[in-house]
Amino acid sequence: QVQLVQSGAELKKPGASVKVSCKASGYSFTTYYMHWVRQAPGQGLEWMGVINPSGGSTTYTLKFQGRVTLTSDTSTSTVYMELKSLRSEDTAVYYCARDSDYGDFAFDYWGQGTPVTVSS
Amino acid sequence: QSALTQPASVSGSPGQSITISCTGTSSDVGGYNYVSWYQHHPGKAPKLMIYEVSNRPSGLSNRFSGSKSGNTASLTISGLQAEDEADYYCSSYTSNSTLVFGSGTKVTVL
Repeated sequence: QVQLVQSGAELKKPGASVKVSCKASGYSFTTYYMHWVRQAPGQGLEWMGVINPSGGSTTYTLKFQGRVTLTSDTSTSTVYMELKSLRSEDTAVYYCARDSDYGDFAFDYWGQGTPVTVSS
Repeated sequence: QSALTQPASVSGSPGQSITISCTGTSSDVGGYNYVSWYQHHPGKAPKLMIYEVSNRPSGLSNRFSGSKSGNTASLTISGLQAEDEADYYCSSYTSNSTLVFGSGTKVTVL
């Protein structure tokens, strides 16, 4: 069965970077785009960007351009999200989510979420 | 890209129908049929309920339906049940080849 397993919770200081992993299994890794979505405490869902694991092409929302980098490793079926220059507003749960069998930009499988706390 | 506009909360009694709106612009909701809806229970991963405006994933209850008119998409839940109490988010593809979520709606079953 399809599974997306993310790395564990992170505690970072302002100005640092965080790298969250998302290991996929149960399907052909390079067939589906992978997206990253975050939810800050008390806030809604926020789309960050998407990567094509086959080739590594990426698209980021304007808000995160220059601070976020998505990469993929086809040898381990893992996608990574690195966010730099962290600030307290980046405290959130970060999810990876796969494009669905039904079409693009609809997510049928999600990781369990990785809490990232930014605090001095 | 600003979040799509949803009502903060909607409530209904068991068995009733409720509708959640999702308003965007011609650059997102109005311009594409890539509108999805998600159900989100706190502490869990979101669940896809509707894709491409009005299509339900396989196995999903037909109590959930979606539609769109102009720049506004809607999710209707009929025969409201206690288990439907959750946060609901719409999302839409945009003219920048990105995705934008709605502000979210808390559904309460009275």
